[in-house]
Amino acid sequence: NAGVTQTPKFRVLKTGQSMTLLCAQDMNHEYMYWYRQDPGMGLRLIHYSVGEGTTAKGEVPDGYNVSRLKKQNFLLGLESAAPSQTSVYFCASSYPPRGRRAFFGQGTRLTVV
Amino acid sequence: DAKTTQPNSMESNEEEPVHLPCNHSTISGTDYIHWYRQLPSQGPEYVIHGLTSNVNNRMASLAIAEDRKSSTLILHRATLRDAAVYYCTVIAASKLTFGTGTRLQVTL
Repeated sequence: NAGVTQTPKFRVLKTGQSMTLLCAQDMNHEYMYWYRQDPGMGLRLIHYSVGEGTTAKGEVPDGYNVSRLKKQNFLLGLESAAPSQTSVYFCASSYPPRGRRAFFGQGTRLTVV
Repeated sequence: DAKTTQPNSMESNEEEPVHLPCNHSTISGTDYIHWYRQLPSQGPEYVIHGLTSNVNNRMASLAIAEDRKSSTLILHRATLRDAAVYYCTVIAASKLTFGTGTRLQVTL
């Protein structure tokens, strides 16, 4: 029972490179979320999805794209990485969240040099 | 979405109860109150949630004010393993967003 798995756990990118972070969940959740957390700060919502084939912008969407082609996977893409995107990225999944708990992955630590 | 306000930090002695407050004065009637915590170098984890009534589980209790404009997370006996950032969030529809949370320090 894996829960929410994020791949990779660590990555160093050069400015201008692109990469994709993968979030996979095995709980058949409709909702999935991507957050970033800068040092000493709280979590900020980047994008989220309320079901397969749907995505929506969160609080800080600029510089990121997402896709939800399969219900169990939510991908976060950086087309041209910038040093300001150095952060820890967390993924979460849930049923409709109002009365249900969310489950979080262990995070991806991304450094852009 | 309703905005939440929490103290930046709190301290507690081990084995003592801890009351973590949260204000959410713009909460709507059908919004749920959730609490999560984040241990050092880990992803957030669920603690408890409620709508109107007080709630208890094995981790904590949640006391919700009668007007629902504030709530309090209660850790009955704090341990060193409870040192974490505690986030209070109000969920209206589909977005799960977080404020800056309260950093709880537990000392011997």
